[in-house]
Amino acid sequence: GAGVSQSPSNKVTEKGKDVELRCDPISGHTALYWYRQSLGQGLEFLIYFQGNSAPDKSGLPSDRFSAERTGGSVSTLTIQRTQQEDSAVYLCASSPWTSGGWNEQFFGPGTRLTVL
Amino acid sequence: QKEVEQNSGPLSVPEGAIASLNCTYSDRGSQSFFWYRQYSGKSPELIMSIYSNGDKEDGRFTAQLNKASQYVSLLIRDSQPSDSATYLCAPRGYGQNFVFGPGTRLSVLP
Repeated sequence: GAGVSQSPSNKVTEKGKDVELRCDPISGHTALYWYRQSLGQGLEFLIYFQGNSAPDKSGLPSDRFSAERTGGSVSTLTIQRTQQEDSAVYLCASSPWTSGGWNEQFFGPGTRLTVL
Repeated sequence: QKEVEQNSGPLSVPEGAIASLNCTYSDRGSQSFFWYRQYSGKSPELIMSIYSNGDKEDGRFTAQLNKASQYVSLLIRDSQPSDSATYLCAPRGYGQNFVFGPGTRLSVLP
């Protein structure tokens, strides 16, 4: 079946502009995650959605970052007033949910954001 | 103290050798453990998961878990140049978010 998809694959923007990154998870996966990965660095957790529960926003680096998930499926990560330090690859992952609650994540191809 | 620790590497092994990747974690509530492989410029992909103490083998890969020592490892037998990548350790507690380690960069030399 289809995997996690993200769009756009690449985004170049000017400092101060707003950007929206989209994630379409695997059908039926109730958990959705956003991560950021700067060049040569590890994965930085941003936000986690699980079903209808309140999202875990503890990883968002500033109030310029926000995310929503509509209808329990597609998610949009919005970065307002972008800064050069926001340049990174933004990865989305989804995970099924069972009573065990510990299923693996499946990653999308990422969006490479460059802020000039 | 970091939640998940891994040697950053690079870990260099000759082709055909065994590569041993180690990971320690601080959250004793972690119940499941995942190893991801990430090639340069690509997304992480799951290669192994382990939930119980002991060893779990899948082809050339063996995951080892010791919850008492809060330690999980990944062995790659008969290492190939195509195994050269960064390996990420990710423990997870029930219903919790994933916490990824910084990754170990493996280089398999032909």
